[in-house]
Amino acid sequence: QPVLTQPPSSSASPGESARLTCTLPSDVNVGRYNIYWYQQKPGSPPRYLLYYYSDSDKGRASGVPSRFSGSKDASANTGILLISGLQSGDEADYYCMFWPSNAYVVFGGGTKLTVL
Amino acid sequence: QVQLVQSGADVKKPGASVKVSCKASGYTFTDYYMHWVRQAPGQGLEWMGWINPNSGGTNYPQKFQGRVTMTRDTSISTAYMELSRLKSDDTAVYYCARDTPTFDYWGQGTLVTVSS
Repeated sequence: QPVLTQPPSSSASPGESARLTCTLPSDVNVGRYNIYWYQQKPGSPPRYLLYYYSDSDKGRASGVPSRFSGSKDASANTGILLISGLQSGDEADYYCMFWPSNAYVVFGGGTKLTVL
Repeated sequence: QVQLVQSGADVKKPGASVKVSCKASGYTFTDYYMHWVRQAPGQGLEWMGWINPNSGGTNYPQKFQGRVTMTRDTSISTAYMELSRLKSDDTAVYYCARDTPTFDYWGQGTLVTVSS
């Protein structure tokens, strides 16, 4: 089962941008997959934010601000969640997810984002 | 509006089984697969498998095969997840999530505590 690697923590100040990464194993090409992103605040279930495949194939969930966007870094085999104009309410855990096959799902270990 | 309402918290002894329910409303239950995801205290998300509410077909990752059983009752739009031979490290919040395939709606979570 492939593993998605996320840094355990990240921090940034209000108004700045946070770049959260999700790295796939070297034998799994990030370019072939949708990468999904979820936000989870304490005591609540995860909330679906967006998915990113390419600039022409991406989508944000209803109600998610345009400050949240996805991208990929093919050279690093990584999916990226970019949060611009950070707000205190963005402080949460963020998880990436992908489907290595039609039948299986894998979550990353999550990144705790602190807004300083 | 779409809602997934799960059964209440439960406490089980090691070796016992637990069955968690997830009642769907606001959409046609048989139109979307249902997944189960768990989260141990202070840990990340772990995918446990899915059920096709239309056919009853299931798929589980190897880690849970032989211990998890997912079923559904279409007459009451409810999905079930039963986990057997419980161990202390099965203590977690268990979530159901609708597959679109973005996991756009989640249940509120059910805390299962395994303790002697």
